[in-house]
Amino acid sequence: AQSVTQPDIHITVSEGASLELRCNYSYGATPYLFWYVQSPGQGLQLLLKYFSGDTLVQGIKGFEAEFKRSQSSFNLRKPSVHWSDAAEYFCAVGAWGQNFVFGPGTRLSVLP
Amino acid sequence: DGGITQSPKYLFRKEGQNVTLSCEQNLNHDAMYWYRQDPGQGLRLIYYSQIVNDFQKGDIAEGYSVSREKKESFPLTVTSAQKNPTAFYLCASSMGVAEAFFGQGTRLTVV
Repeated sequence: AQSVTQPDIHITVSEGASLELRCNYSYGATPYLFWYVQSPGQGLQLLLKYFSGDTLVQGIKGFEAEFKRSQSSFNLRKPSVHWSDAAEYFCAVGAWGQNFVFGPGTRLSVLP
Repeated sequence: DGGITQSPKYLFRKEGQNVTLSCEQNLNHDAMYWYRQDPGQGLRLIYYSQIVNDFQKGDIAEGYSVSREKKESFPLTVTSAQKNPTAFYLCASSMGVAEAFFGQGTRLTVV
């Protein structure tokens, strides 16, 4: 069955520290991978996506993610976190003819 | 600007009442989706539609109904059969395997 796991329910980092949010997937087909961010009471905004090619992808707001096929992972990183990055982050996968599958989300808190 | 519009932002439902959540997109996307989000939880798929006049049940369709009479519109009705409708509802659309675009959500509360 297709699934996405985000092992960390809640992460707290200090402002200026680096960040890595983990995402692992189980998918039969070649997946297309996405990271979304959600602020409280808002919809989801796309941070970045991976379809093919370079396995390190750059996104908006200074985020990047690396696709590792051997580990079935697509971890999200940011070198220096800002207070405004506090939000919920969702990893998702998709494929031709398949619906998107979303992970449970990781809530990020940022300490001043 | 292109995007997805959900209305209303807040909705209150009395016991036994049906309510309809609106979702309109001007992105010319073929596919549209409805998700339910409960506090601290991820997104659960209610219904989806890949083409006009066709839609499919998602993982938690019981107590909900939809229609897709126009490409740009995908309204969701929360019926009285849905026993626990209080949640945040998100509508999305996509084209092929490109990313999903989301509306700003509707928060439904039972009073």
